[in-house]
Amino acid sequence: QSALTQPASVSGSPGQSVTISCTGTSRDVGGYDYVSWYQQHPVKAPKLIIYDVNNRPSGVSHRFSGSKSDNTASLTISGLQAEDEADYYCSSYTFSGTVVFGGGTKVTVL
Amino acid sequence: QLQLQESGPGLVKPSETLSLTCTVSGDSISSTNYYWGWIRQPPGKGLEWIGHIYYSGSAYYNPSLKSRITISVDASKSQFSLRLSSVTAADTAVHYCARQRRLSASGSGYYTFIDYWGQGTLVTVSS
Repeated sequence: QSALTQPASVSGSPGQSVTISCTGTSRDVGGYDYVSWYQQHPVKAPKLIIYDVNNRPSGVSHRFSGSKSDNTASLTISGLQAEDEADYYCSSYTFSGTVVFGGGTKVTVL
Repeated sequence: QLQLQESGPGLVKPSETLSLTCTVSGDSISSTNYYWGWIRQPPGKGLEWIGHIYYSGSAYYNPSLKSRITISVDASKSQFSLRLSSVTAADTAVHYCARQRRLSASGSGYYTFIDYWGQGTLVTVSS
């Protein structure tokens, strides 16, 4: 299985919105509404912030939202804050019952 | 509160077998709502899903690692384990154990996503 494709980096000023794309195939992202997103700060374990394309776990800021169109899922961070500076990974369930991650995107708050 | 704790050697020699155990506390490893998984992250690189197991013992593996992986579960000890054989320097990584939700998929079967991660443990492959 091939990794999902994410941009290496995105950046924005405080208060702005940034969007991270995650492109897969019909065998993963495009085939199911089972995309999740994770936030990882340096030397920390990843944290789930979105599941099932657009659902937020309890306690996750409403500034994080997800969407999907065909084989591409997206994570939008609204009202960018300094604490949002981190690496973000998308993940999808696949047709073979496995899990695949994207390569990760570094978000920089200017 | 759920706790996942990885344990095992931090240094493994090339060609040998990497072995890690994850101890689960604060939740039942025999729950029908979860799988239990392993993910790794080479230094400075991205996440790679290794595989997951159900309490019954049925497991799914990353196709690229399948020939070298064994994931097992010991429900009586609330533990699940990873064995990766014939390791090389490319297997040097932080290894995370994780809880994966097991949910009914539309149509049939189940789907999964990782909802809780252990703190991770670095395993270095070097002579």
